[in-house]
Amino acid sequence: AQSVSQHNHHVILSEAASLELGCNYSYGGTVNLFWYVQYPGQHLQLLLKYFSGDPLVKGIKGFEAEFIKSKFSFNLRKPSVQWSDTAEYFCAVRGSARQLTFGSGTQLTVLP
Amino acid sequence: EAQVTQNPRYLITVTGKKLTVTCSQNMNHEYMSWYRQDPGLGLRQIYYSMNVEVTDKGDVPEGYKVSRKEKRNFPLILESPSPNQTSLYFCASTVGDSTDTQYFGPGTRLTVL
Repeated sequence: AQSVSQHNHHVILSEAASLELGCNYSYGGTVNLFWYVQYPGQHLQLLLKYFSGDPLVKGIKGFEAEFIKSKFSFNLRKPSVQWSDTAEYFCAVRGSARQLTFGSGTQLTVLP
Repeated sequence: EAQVTQNPRYLITVTGKKLTVTCSQNMNHEYMSWYRQDPGLGLRQIYYSMNVEVTDKGDVPEGYKVSRKEKRNFPLILESPSPNQTSLYFCASTVGDSTDTQYFGPGTRLTVL
């Protein structure tokens, strides 16, 4: 069975600080990896996804993530966060079956 | 506009009173699923459907039923709700190929007293 672990439950940063959110997954085969974001009071939206090819994936709003197969990791990064990035971030993995497994989420609070 | 809709958005009910949360998508997607979101647990899949009349259990199916009689609709049924089903529920749909992205509905906040 596949699983996802997000190490940080709550991250607090000041504007312009750099961001890195950790995500590790457990699955023995080929995976598809996703980061979703949930802004306050809204539904989940896709930030970026990795299926194959270049392990450095760029998404919307200046976010990027790097797939490191040897570490089973897919960390999310942003060089300079803004107050509007305050949201909850979910990492997700999909293995050979169609089932998508989410991590427990990381709440990001950006202070103005 | 491509979207996934859910109704109702908010519901307060009592233990044992059957309820249905509807989900509809207008993107002709084959794959649909239901999740519940609880603090500290992220999203957990309840049921999914790969096409009409094809449904399967996710990680937490106990106490829930679904049906998929039409491609666009995927209702979630709680035949005898209990307080531990108080949660935020999301429906999602996905185009049926290997590069799929899930499109989420706005969520239904359910409180079972």
